[in-house]
Amino acid sequence: DQQVKQNSPSLSVQEGRISILNCDYTNSMFDYFLWYKKYPAEGPTFLISISSIKDKNEDGRFTVFLNKSAKHLSLHIVPSQPGDSAVYFCAARSYGQNFVFGPGTRLSVLP
Amino acid sequence: EPEVTQTPSHQVTQMGQEVILRCVPISNHLYFYWYRQILGQKVEFLVSFYNNEISEKSEIFDDQFSVERPDGSNFTLKIRSTKLEDSAMYFCASSEERVKEETQYFGPGTRLLVL
Repeated sequence: DQQVKQNSPSLSVQEGRISILNCDYTNSMFDYFLWYKKYPAEGPTFLISISSIKDKNEDGRFTVFLNKSAKHLSLHIVPSQPGDSAVYFCAARSYGQNFVFGPGTRLSVLP
Repeated sequence: EPEVTQTPSHQVTQMGQEVILRCVPISNHLYFYWYRQILGQKVEFLVSFYNNEISEKSEIFDDQFSVERPDGSNFTLKIRSTKLEDSAMYFCASSEERVKEETQYFGPGTRLLVL
């Protein structure tokens, strides 16, 4: 039962262009969403979050958009940099519960 | 910058053997977690621990698993009798507060291979 889906296992983007990573969820009770970034041989690190009361949250080059009716969120990175190459995990939770992670999308930013 | 550390980085064991994975959370953190990631699959929550007891656990965390904070600095995950399907990367995490999940700091992981 995949409650959090990231249907693109990998994505390649040219340096300087926009990277868009997508995440879909099935549980309408989810009210808080995170994106984590993971480099090889390291643990996931927090990137950006969004609460269900918002539809957009921006932090520097990173913006997360939430479409509750579609149960869809996306992470935009602009401009993309080679150091952004990593696996990106979407995670979601309902109040009081622990996070459910998606399978991840491997982003490669090409110089 | 403070960080979560985990030892060993790699562990190879025979099926049926016991393994203990060790973690040193960030010193002022109060909440501790174990996650695992089977190769090519998503990160899965195993257990959370607060005030010297388990606060939540997932279906994966069955009787073969246990956690302990033996000495006020280490946080361990024990698998009593390992199975082939326990092969995964195991991540420890810690946070100051339960409600600020975004400040969960993850360790680098222990790669467990059960033969």
